Amino acid sequence: GALVYQYPRRTICKSGTSMRMECQAVGFQATSVAWYRQSPQKTFELIALSTVNSAIKYEQNFTQEKFPISHPNLSFSSMTVLNAYLEDRGLYLCGARDLDWGYYAEQFFGPGTRLTVL
Amino acid sequence: QQKVQQSPESLSVPEGGMASLNCTSSDRNFQYFWWYRQHSGEGPKALMSIFSDGDKKEGRFTAHLNKASLHVSLHIRDSQPSDSALYFCAASNSGTYQRFGTGTKLQVVP
Repeated sequence: GALVYQYPRRTICKSGTSMRMECQAVGFQATSVAWYRQSPQKTFELIALSTVNSAIKYEQNFTQEKFPISHPNLSFSSMTVLNAYLEDRGLYLCGARDLDWGYYAEQFFGPGTRLTVL
Repeated sequence: QQKVQQSPESLSVPEGGMASLNCTSSDRNFQYFWWYRQHSGEGPKALMSIFSDGDKKEGRFTAHLNKASLHVSLHIRDSQPSDSALYFCAASNSGTYQRFGTGTKLQVVP
């Protein structure tokens, strides 16, 4: 079946430092990968969306300079949170879809990386 | 402004009762709907999708879509304590985007 792994599951970093998190889609062809941040209040914010053959699109309030993303292919994606501060804490979720199914495409999520900033 | 609104924010139902959740999209380009459920400590998992007007039933879960108003609801019959979770509505366009709603926290009380 389709699975999305994320690691680490939890991480703690000091204010002003950076941390990298990874996402791996297994069991299906990921043609779209989205990174989200879920706040302590549980609302979702889309950080960026990567699709096959397109540049990574960052949402308003999120920049490549702050959240650089790299992926040799969309089955493996990593995102770094640079110069993390308190407002960056939350659960970072990776969601992957096979867009060959169009809007029928279910989004498969990993368990998330929980970032705590001290 | 949040383009996918959900209500209520939280909901408590007795075990065996009916839970009803609501979702509205404010963008007609986003008219294909998914319901996701997130248990504590996990990522969201898709429950069901609905793309056409009317009802769609999967086991104890029934979704209803009104495309004219872009309103979708989810009804959970015979609610179980294991149904206690966060429920998110996601509205998709015909392309790459899924927009997530504000979420409803459901608690099923034994």
